[in-house]
Amino acid sequence: NAGVMQNPRHLVRRRGQEARLRCSPMKGHSHVYWYRQLPEEGLKFMVYLQKENIIDESGMPKERFSAEFPKEGPSILRIQQVVRGDSAAYFCASSPEWTSGAYNEQFFGPGTRLTVL
Amino acid sequence: QKEVEQNSGPLSVPEGAIASLNCTYSDRGSQSFFWYRQYSGKSPELIMSIYSNGDKEDGRFTAQLNKASQYVSLLIRDSQPSDSATYLCAADNQAGTALIFGKGTTLSVSS
Repeated sequence: NAGVMQNPRHLVRRRGQEARLRCSPMKGHSHVYWYRQLPEEGLKFMVYLQKENIIDESGMPKERFSAEFPKEGPSILRIQQVVRGDSAAYFCASSPEWTSGAYNEQFFGPGTRLTVL
Repeated sequence: QKEVEQNSGPLSVPEGAIASLNCTYSDRGSQSFFWYRQYSGKSPELIMSIYSNGDKEDGRFTAQLNKASQYVSLLIRDSQPSDSATYLCAADNQAGTALIFGKGTTLSVSS
């Protein structure tokens, strides 16, 4: 399967613990995006990364949230000291180089459903 | 705050009919527009992208873009019960670094 991969698919954490979500982009894609979907709300952009660079983090909460996309390995979204309001579906998307003509065409992974108890 | 607005629905159509979904966007700097389909409990699936004014057809789907009116639509011909899902409209931000999503329109196709 050459699609976007995310793990874990479901994650349960108690308040105050750390949540670590992983995303491997589609083969050949070098752009990674993280979105959050709260119940009854739309998808909200969080952060856009390329290898070893954060390009746009305008949608990331200022505290407790961080993201990285190292030279080797998957992209990681880290949430420290989780609170109940962090319970949501977190989706990763990837896109090819824009020179392909498919400007910002993003393909989504299956998501990680985070539940904070 | 840049926004994408959609009628939440539900939009109900009989099998075989044409379903028409609409959205408007506020950022005049947006250049790329997308329609995603999301089944309950699943991830968004890209079904159409459009960048130029006019129509773009792909199978039973036709996307329409009018940049002057800041309006995007999706027509689904010969609707099937399997088309029942939430349809998300998205526009890129002016910098091209993110997609701004509407809250989605729920489509129900009855057999």
